[in-house]
Order: sequence, then C-alpha cells, then structure tokens
Amino acid sequence: NAGVTQTPKFQVLKTGQSMTLQCAQDMNHEYMSWYRQDPGMGLRLIHYSVGAGITDQGEVPNGYNVSRSTTEDFPLRLLSAAPSQTSVYFCASNPSPGTGGFVAEAFFGQGTRLTVV
Amino acid sequence: SQQGEEDPQALSIQEGENATMNCSYKTSINNLQWYRQNSGRGLVHLILIRSNEREKHSGRLRVTLDTSKKSSSLLITASRAADTASYFCATGGLPDKLIFGTGTRLQVFP
Repeated sequence: NAGVTQTPKFQVLKTGQSMTLQCAQDMNHEYMSWYRQDPGMGLRLIHYSVGAGITDQGEVPNGYNVSRSTTEDFPLRLLSAAPSQTSVYFCASNPSPGTGGFVAEAFFGQGTRLTVV
Repeated sequence: SQQGEEDPQALSIQEGENATMNCSYKTSINNLQWYRQNSGRGLVHLILIRSNEREKHSGRLRVTLDTSKKSSSLLITASRAADTASYFCATGGLPDKLIFGTGTRLQVFP
C-alpha cells in the first residue's frame, strides 16, 4: 500500500497566487487532517475531516480551504498565498476511533515544502 | 495553542546511552501518542498509551503516563545513531483530532 501520498513535494509561489496541495490515502481511513510545521512550533492543525462531506477547522485555518468529496482525497487550497504561509505541510489520516472513542494512530505523508516569495 | 510541550527541546547523547524525553499537556486526554520524525520526512507513529495505562513497552521504548501530573515520558534504551530524530508527543482528547507538542530533537553520536 502507498499509505498517504502528498503532491507536490516542493513548491514556490508568489504572493497572491493560489494553489492546491493534494493528499490521497488508500487505507480507507475516515479521518484526515492537514498540519503545518514551522521551526520551534511543532505541528499545528489547519483543518480536519471525519468523513466524506464533513470538514472542520483546526487551530490555524485562516487562508486555507478544504473539501472532502471522497474518502481517499483531502486537498488543501491556499486562496491567496502570503509569506506567512511558508511552511512544511503534512497530511495525515487515521481510522475512526475504536471502542471508547480513542483517536487512533495517524499515518503521515512525506510533506510538501512550500515557499511563498 | 499547543497541547503538549516536550522537554528538553534538544538532547545529545552517545550511542549506548539512554535517552529520556518528557511531555506535559494541559487538558484531560483519552490517550497520548509518541511519534518520530527523521529530518525532512513525515512523522512515524511509535507508541500509544491510553489514559487508564501507566506504562507501556515496545522494543527499546518505554512510555509512562501520569494523568495526575498531566505528563508522559519516553525512554529509549541503548540508543543508536539511527535514533537521531525529533520526537513528538500528541494528545487525543477529542475523538477526532490529534494535537502535537513542539518536539524534542535527539542527536545520538556514534
């Protein structure tokens, strides 16, 4: 299995441009999430989805949109790129919680390194 | 804001030594997970400990959880150069998302 696949691996954008970061998983996981990782900040949750057609905001959602039309795909859209969005972006998926509602282990993609100039 | 905070931020040891890193969190949790991130790569799940467990082992890893102190520790015994990575704790308080700490950078010298 491929697991979680993110494309592209690297991207340079000019301020004001828009783009979509792609994320696909082949494990039939219900839950998918987008994080950004900045030096000294750890991973911060941008948006997440608990199933097709259901999305919600995380800690830092401003400037990003998501949709979940299928179980497999969870694209992240940057509406108008800003230098503050320069970061490494990670997509993750995990199965639905088991008995007791425990969130299960997450599987991560390899990341997209985005630079906005 | 971050839920978990790892301590120390950075740790350097020699091969064969043990490495201990700690995680403190703020709110009640259902479980706590530890992940490893090699430079330039995605995170890889190491171990999950539930709120009703106090200690868990997996190979050279030992995780403890003290819910009264809202803290966890990860011990890597007999470290190897290949253990060089950043280590993150993540808390699963809600059934739908993980919140990560800021990480500990571990350097193991041969």
